[in-house]
Amino acid sequence: KNQVEQSPQSLIILEGKNCTLQCNYTVSPFSNLRWYKQDTGRGPVSLTIMTFSENTKSNGRYTATLDADTKQSSLHITASQLSDSASYICVVSEGSYIPTFGRGTSLIVHP
Amino acid sequence: DAGITQSPRHKVTETGTPVTLRCHQTENHRYMYWYRQDPGHGLRLIHYSYGVKDTDKGEVSDGYSVSRSKTEDFLLTLESATSSQTSVYFCAFGTNTDTQYFGPGTRLTVL
Repeated sequence: KNQVEQSPQSLIILEGKNCTLQCNYTVSPFSNLRWYKQDTGRGPVSLTIMTFSENTKSNGRYTATLDADTKQSSLHITASQLSDSASYICVVSEGSYIPTFGRGTSLIVHP
Repeated sequence: DAGITQSPRHKVTETGTPVTLRCHQTENHRYMYWYRQDPGHGLRLIHYSYGVKDTDKGEVSDGYSVSRSKTEDFLLTLESATSSQTSVYFCAFGTNTDTQYFGPGTRLTVL
């Protein structure tokens, strides 16, 4: 069964600090991996998308990495801001119409 | 929210009543999706559509039906609502190999 596991489940950091979120998956065959940011009470918003041949992708202060051999991805947030407080969701697709979503990492940034 | 709306945004209903949720997109996109999001679970695909009158089941389709009579509208119907269908429902458009754009969500409570 395809699975996407995210860690940690929740994370609290101080404003200005960096953090890294992890995503491990067992989806096969692999098509792409996406990271979404979901603010409380809103729909997810795309941050990055990576295919098999890409191992890093940046979007401002967000940098995602992908190791397709070990089936791991990470999302690194640099110089965190209060507005980064949200849930971050890893999504892995096998090319069909049914993606597999992780449960998300809840990030809280304190001033 | 990128050219996609959902209605109603909140609904409380009673067990056994029919419920229809509406999703409207202004991007003329061919592919649309309905997901549900519950605590402890990632987003799960209910149904998707790859064109007018072309729909298929996702991983949690039991108790739900959909219709797509126009490109811009995708309806989700709960024929006879149950308490287990209390959830937050998200609609999205986009392809599975690229970014999906999500609506703001509908919070449904079945008493």
